[in-house]
Amino acid sequence: DGGITQSPKYLFRKEGQNVTLSCEQNLNHDAMYWYRQDPGQGLRLIYYSQIVNDFQKGDIAEGYSVSREKKESFPLTVTSAQKNPTAFYLCASSLGQGAGEKLFFGSGTQLSVL
Amino acid sequence: GENVEQHPSTLSVQEGDSAVIKCTYSDSASNYFPWYKQELGKGPQLIIDIRSNVGEKKDQRIAVTLNKTAKHFSLHITETQPEDSAVYFCAASISGGSQGNLIFGKGTKLSVKP
Repeated sequence: DGGITQSPKYLFRKEGQNVTLSCEQNLNHDAMYWYRQDPGQGLRLIYYSQIVNDFQKGDIAEGYSVSREKKESFPLTVTSAQKNPTAFYLCASSLGQGAGEKLFFGSGTQLSVL
Repeated sequence: GENVEQHPSTLSVQEGDSAVIKCTYSDSASNYFPWYKQELGKGPQLIIDIRSNVGEKKDQRIAVTLNKTAKHFSLHITETQPEDSAVYFCAASISGGSQGNLIFGKGTKLSVKP
């Protein structure tokens, strides 16, 4: 089946530790995104990538980093600089590069701080 | 930048009743308005969208209306069923613009009681 796979489903971070969330898609989509979801909040954009080896900061990029070395993969690293990392993280992709494109989401990763 | 307000934050209806969720946006240049449904533990899924060249769009039991003058749009679900229970997000963006322009509302938790 085509889709977006996020792993792990649950992740725990110790203070001062960097952790990496995986996102893989087999939809042959050009664009990929990372959103953060907090209880009672909407989805806030962390980073997005329109093509391989290129990515842009979203509204809340501080404390996060990404890479896009392959079209199908867009991993997100939550660094120790992110002081409030506990949240539900969603990866998404779209076929095209415009803002009016349909987003396809993964099932998310819940990150918690130990 | 764009700001999207969504109301109500929670909505409880009896099975078979209608449900209406409303969103307002601030940027008059926005012209693409999608609605996403997020079931518990899953990523959001697009259920319907509308562009500013139309005032209403229907898909079976769901419909979206757009009032460009008042800058608000609404999701209507008729004959609600328990499987409609989920969190619904509205969003607004400028179609064709930067992918970072898609702004989400904070969500409405819909509960359909059998």
